[in-house]
Amino acid sequence: GDSVTQMEGPVTLSEEAFLTINCTYTATGYPSLFWYVQYPGEGLQLLLKATKADDKGSNKGFEATYRKETTSFHLEKGSVQVSDSAVYFCALSAQGGSEKLVFGKGTKLTVNP
Amino acid sequence: DGGITQSPKYLFRKEGQNVTLSCEQNLNHDAMYWYRQDPGQGLRLIYYSQIVNDFQKGDIAEGYSVSREKKESFPLTVTSAQKNPTAFYLCASTRGGEFEQFFGPGTRLTVL
Repeated sequence: GDSVTQMEGPVTLSEEAFLTINCTYTATGYPSLFWYVQYPGEGLQLLLKATKADDKGSNKGFEATYRKETTSFHLEKGSVQVSDSAVYFCALSAQGGSEKLVFGKGTKLTVNP
Repeated sequence: DGGITQSPKYLFRKEGQNVTLSCEQNLNHDAMYWYRQDPGQGLRLIYYSQIVNDFQKGDIAEGYSVSREKKESFPLTVTSAQKNPTAFYLCASTRGGEFEQFFGPGTRLTVL
């Protein structure tokens, strides 16, 4: 079945460091791909998305490119801030017409000043 | 403002009691979802509903029940049959035919 694998956390960086959080997926067909962010004690918010191969999603300095050849959707940011500290989830749209999402387990990011 | 509300934010219950978590949305979305979140396990789908008066089991439906009598509302009941009910519960919704899910703020349930 469809699945998402994210890099294990936690990830700890200093402010202004470069961030990469790896995400690879297994799916039939051509899923849409998403990154969600969860701040402490809150629900998830959509960070960015890509709906077809080679699309680049971007928002708030974060970027991710839909790579079909490597089945990947890695999240990157050139210079992280303390306010980026959160848990990041990669997700894909499940096949079968149910409009469900399949989520990775999440990667906790802590940015220190 | 349109959005999803979940209440209460924190809920405490004694073991053996059923408890109902509220989820309301005013986004006019057709589909609604309930997830359970435990540390290190990501989100696991409990139930989802694509239209009023219809719902399907997700991956971990045992010990839970739902209803969808109105488009705006999708309450989740955690029954006494759920062996480990202490968790963070998230409700979400989507427009029909779309995958982007909008999430509520969550309810943290603690069973004592």
